Amino acid sequence: SAVISQKPSRDICQRGTSLTIQCQVDSQVTMMFWYRQQPGQSLTLIATANQGSEATYESGFVIDKFPISRPNLTFSTLTVSNMSPEDSSIYLCSGRDTGELFFGEGSRLTVL
Amino acid sequence: DAKTTQPTSMDCAEGRAANLPCNHSTISGNEYVYWYRQIHSQGPQYIIHGLKNNETNEMASLIITEDRKSSTLILPHATLRDTAVYYCIVRAAGMGGSEKLVFGKGTKLTVNP
Repeated sequence: SAVISQKPSRDICQRGTSLTIQCQVDSQVTMMFWYRQQPGQSLTLIATANQGSEATYESGFVIDKFPISRPNLTFSTLTVSNMSPEDSSIYLCSGRDTGELFFGEGSRLTVL
Repeated sequence: DAKTTQPTSMDCAEGRAANLPCNHSTISGNEYVYWYRQIHSQGPQYIIHGLKNNETNEMASLIITEDRKSSTLILPHATLRDTAVYYCIVRAAGMGGSEKLVFGKGTKLTVNP
């Protein structure tokens, strides 16, 4: 299956700042998704990253807080804006073409 | 919301079969059962999926009851490296919003020496 690389793998951020996470897939994929996994919890879907159009957000997530870009079939970014300690989580990128959904290793954010 | 119910945790002895149950009593006719696992500090990994027939691959077997309201993931010879959280997910086939996977809480499987 395809491989997803995420950058950064981890970061420590200050309250009120923003951080952009990059997701690069080594092959073209039809669908890309962003998930959040808070400490000790399961994965929660943030949004579907749509190529060339606005992302589709799940209930409880808004574009102003989590702007997403997807300029092509292999790349997407998620920005966590105006961070607070409650945003400390692992953020995971996932992709799917015709096979199964596969995931990156995640980006672990700690907000102080 | 997740459409599946799984035990919170299970233990298994190394070398023995691990049988992980999942209840999906509200599953629809066009929904598949998927299993993923997440080893600590890693992204989730696909294991297997099925519609109504039993399935087997190099990692595991999936047994789906005839009424499709429950299933069991079987790891035939569990190793310490199989210690992980196992997620059972139902997902409709086809494109669009149904492509997304909704994760429940999963089962924490601990394989003991």
